[in-house]
Amino acid sequence: KNEVEQSPQNLTAQEGEFITINCSYSVGISALHWLQQHPGGGIVSLFMLSSGKKKHGRLIATINIQEKHSSLHITASHPRDSAVYICAVISNQFYFGTGTSLTVIP
Amino acid sequence: DAGITQSPRHKVTETGTPVTLRCHQTENHRYMYWYRQDPGHGLRLIHYSYGVKDTDKGEVSDGYSVSRSKTEDFLLTLESATSSQTSVYFCAIRHSVLGYGYTFGSGTRLTVV
Repeated sequence: KNEVEQSPQNLTAQEGEFITINCSYSVGISALHWLQQHPGGGIVSLFMLSSGKKKHGRLIATINIQEKHSSLHITASHPRDSAVYICAVISNQFYFGTGTSLTVIP
Repeated sequence: DAGITQSPRHKVTETGTPVTLRCHQTENHRYMYWYRQDPGHGLRLIHYSYGVKDTDKGEVSDGYSVSRSKTEDFLLTLESATSSQTSVYFCAIRHSVLGYGYTFGSGTRLTVV
C-alpha cells in the first residue's frame, strides 16, 4: 500500500504547454514537499507547503488538506523542466511518491 | 548543497565485502536520514538519527547499520554487500530552524557485483 500516489507516472509535453502533476495521500500530514530530480542528479526541494498555494517563477503548488490532495503546475514549460517530480509528505515519518517523469520536447 | 555532502559519489564493490557511505553536514542539524532509491519504489527510509548516538530503523533497515558519533557525520554501513543493495543512496537533513524543510545530498550510486 502506498501512502502517497502520484499521477501521471510519465508525462510528455510540448514546450510552452501548461503541465499539472497530481499527488494524493492517505495519512495525516504536517507538511508536503514537491521535489525535483534531474537524470543522474540530486534531489532538490521545490516547495514545502502545509496549506493554500505557493508560487516560484513558473512553478505553482497547491494543497487541499481536507481532500488530501496536492498539485504541481508548470506554466510555459521548457525542456529544462524535464525531470522527475516527487511528492513527499511528512507524517510520523517522510512518505514518498514514486515520482512523475516529465519530458518537455522543444 | 546547503552544507551536506555524501561520499563516495560512485562505488562498485563485490558481493560479501563491507561498504561504508558517509554523509557530512556543516550546519549542526539534529536529524539525519539515509534513503535508498530504486525504480518503481521511490525513496525508502533505511535508518535515521535524531542526535549523536541516537539512531532508529526505517522500513528497509535489514542488512544495514548506521553510526553517528558526532553531529556532522552519519555513516551507513553494509556489513556484507549483496546484489540487492545495488541502489542509489541519499542522505538528508531536516532543518531545525525552517520547520520541516529538508535538504538532500547528491546521492551515492552503489553497484554490488
